[in-house]
Amino acid sequence: QKEVEQDPGPLSVPEGAIVSLNCTYSNSAFQYFMWYRQYSRKGPELLMYTYSSGNKEDGRFTAQVDKSSKYISLFIRDSQPSDSATYLCACARPTSGTYKYIFGTGTRLKVLA
Amino acid sequence: EAEVAQSPRYKITEKSQAVAFWCDPISGHATLYWYRQILGQGPELLVQFQDESVVDDSQLPKDRFSAERLKGVDSTLKIQPAELGDSAMYLCASSFQVSGNTIYFGEGSWLTVV
Repeated sequence: QKEVEQDPGPLSVPEGAIVSLNCTYSNSAFQYFMWYRQYSRKGPELLMYTYSSGNKEDGRFTAQVDKSSKYISLFIRDSQPSDSATYLCACARPTSGTYKYIFGTGTRLKVLA
Repeated sequence: EAEVAQSPRYKITEKSQAVAFWCDPISGHATLYWYRQILGQGPELLVQFQDESVVDDSQLPKDRFSAERLKGVDSTLKIQPAELGDSAMYLCASSFQVSGNTIYFGEGSWLTVV
């Protein structure tokens, strides 16, 4: 079983829709949770990170963490065609004096104009 | 805005040849990571440095891959000999301190082995 699971999609939505992207994790040692956006043939770009359970909002993006269920989500409001990309979730846990980051497989999102 | 620099962006090499990738992390970032990302999958850690020391290379195929960060700043990842299955994007990332909140990626180096 992978430590971080993510539905690969693809997910197609009309412009203006609310998008919900989700990941589950199995290791309760994870402390930090991140979402990255990756355009084709580009490196991942950090969107948001959270530490505790609850919600964190940044513009049209909301990250949600539920540690009791080991479930993390990213919501995108008023989605735009420019949001079309692959979204990667990542979880970080302490190990040997540093942190190890584990990434999901990514969900491909397409926002249709 | 400070960025992680990587080169080359694209590399095509023949099987059994040697190939090298270079990374310059964000200034002041002590932790440097090399990840490999196969198309349709998430990045997987190959090696992690704290300053010039390797802290995790458990997933690095050491028979053909090597990585160094001699002065604790820039880093080189080498593959020799390259195999067809090495075709992937090689991502370098860095973080300021030993914290778990943010790592920043470069644009990646696309490798195609023919």
